[in-house]
Amino acid sequence: DAMVIQNPRYQVTQFGKPVTLSCSQTLNHNVMYWYQQKSSQAPKLLFHYYDKDFNNEADTPDNFQSRRPNTSFCFLDIRSPGLGDAAMYLCATSGIQGGVADTQYFGPGTRLTVL
Amino acid sequence: GDSVTQMEGPVTLSEEAFLTINCTYTATGYPSLFWYVQYPGEGLQLLLKATKADDKGSNKGFEATYRKETTSFHLEKGSVQVSDSAVYFCALSDRSYGQNFVFGPGTRLSVLP
Repeated sequence: DAMVIQNPRYQVTQFGKPVTLSCSQTLNHNVMYWYQQKSSQAPKLLFHYYDKDFNNEADTPDNFQSRRPNTSFCFLDIRSPGLGDAAMYLCATSGIQGGVADTQYFGPGTRLTVL
Repeated sequence: GDSVTQMEGPVTLSEEAFLTINCTYTATGYPSLFWYVQYPGEGLQLLLKATKADDKGSNKGFEATYRKETTSFHLEKGSVQVSDSAVYFCALSDRSYGQNFVFGPGTRLSVLP
């Protein structure tokens, strides 16, 4: 089945220790997104890629970086995690219809704990 | 800017009760509208969507109708089950703004046996 996969499902890191979360998709979608979600609040968009074009949200901290080496994979790097970065991180993808992004499909998320 | 407002939760119902979760939106363009559901510890799953006025989205007994005149997209289900307990997010995608979704704050539903 076509899907969005996130690894790991649970990640524990120490304060200030870099961590990388990964996302892969078999949907062949052009657009990939990273969201941060805290305590079942609405997901907050961090950035997205439209093919290789990177689009950063204005209020995303510099501590968060992303890489998309190919269509299928996208990575979220947190350079120096703080306690406030503990959250669920959601990856999503969407295709393009009529020149704009269509429905977003989400992965299961990675729960990040910062000790 | 665009925004989505949902009814405050949590909503607690008995099994087989009728469900309505209100959603209203503000958009400058002609948005597509979505309902997503999130079960505990999981990502968001698309529940249903509608792309133009008067469209009705439906899935798994849930339905919602795109009402342009009232800028609403209320979610309904005739008979809820315990397994419907989750957080429900209303969202819009405004084509004039490009690729980003706007999510409502979410409504937590608890269904008691």
